[in-house]
Amino acid sequence: DGGITQSPKYLFRKEGQNVTLSCEQNLNHDAMYWYRQDPGQGLRLIYYSQIVNDFQKGDIAEGYSVSREKKESFPLTVTSAQKNPTAFYLCASSLAASNEQFFGPGTRLTVL
Amino acid sequence: AQSVTQLGSHVSVSEGALVLLRCNYSSSVPPYLFWYVQYPNQGLQLLLKYTTGATLVKGINGFEAEFKKSETSFHLTKPSAHMSDAAEYFCAVSSDFLGGSQGNLIFGKGTKLSVKP
Repeated sequence: DGGITQSPKYLFRKEGQNVTLSCEQNLNHDAMYWYRQDPGQGLRLIYYSQIVNDFQKGDIAEGYSVSREKKESFPLTVTSAQKNPTAFYLCASSLAASNEQFFGPGTRLTVL
Repeated sequence: AQSVTQLGSHVSVSEGALVLLRCNYSSSVPPYLFWYVQYPNQGLQLLLKYTTGATLVKGINGFEAEFKKSETSFHLTKPSAHMSDAAEYFCAVSSDFLGGSQGNLIFGKGTKLSVKP
């Protein structure tokens, strides 16, 4: 079945550690996105990539980094510079020239 | 710039009652509008979308929404609520995909729907 996978589903890290969240899609989508979700805040865009080897900052990119070396993969690193990293992180993808996004199941990150 | 306002962070209805979740948008260009549903600790699933054409859009699970340009609204309705409809609902706006960030979705803050037996 085609879809988007995110791993792990739950992630615990100590303060000051970098952590990488995985996002893989087999939908042959060109564009991929990372969102952060906090209670009552909706979804806020962290980074997006419309093509391999290219990505752009979203609204809240500070303290995060990404790479897009393969079409299928768009990992997100939460660095120690992110002041409040505890949140639910959602990855999404879409076809080129389409704004209908398909979402993965999410990763809940808790920083202790 | 585009924005979305969802009126009411929590809505509670009885099973069998009408569901009405409100969404107003702001856009300087013709909008594309979306409703997504999220169950606890899961990703978002597309309920329905409006791009062009018919202003009354039907989606999955018996939901529908009407695009009203004069009111800049895209309210979500369902005639009869079911217990399984309890979830969080997000309205989102975008514009015609022209590349860059213009096709990106802007989300409202969400409305949690509770359904009482």
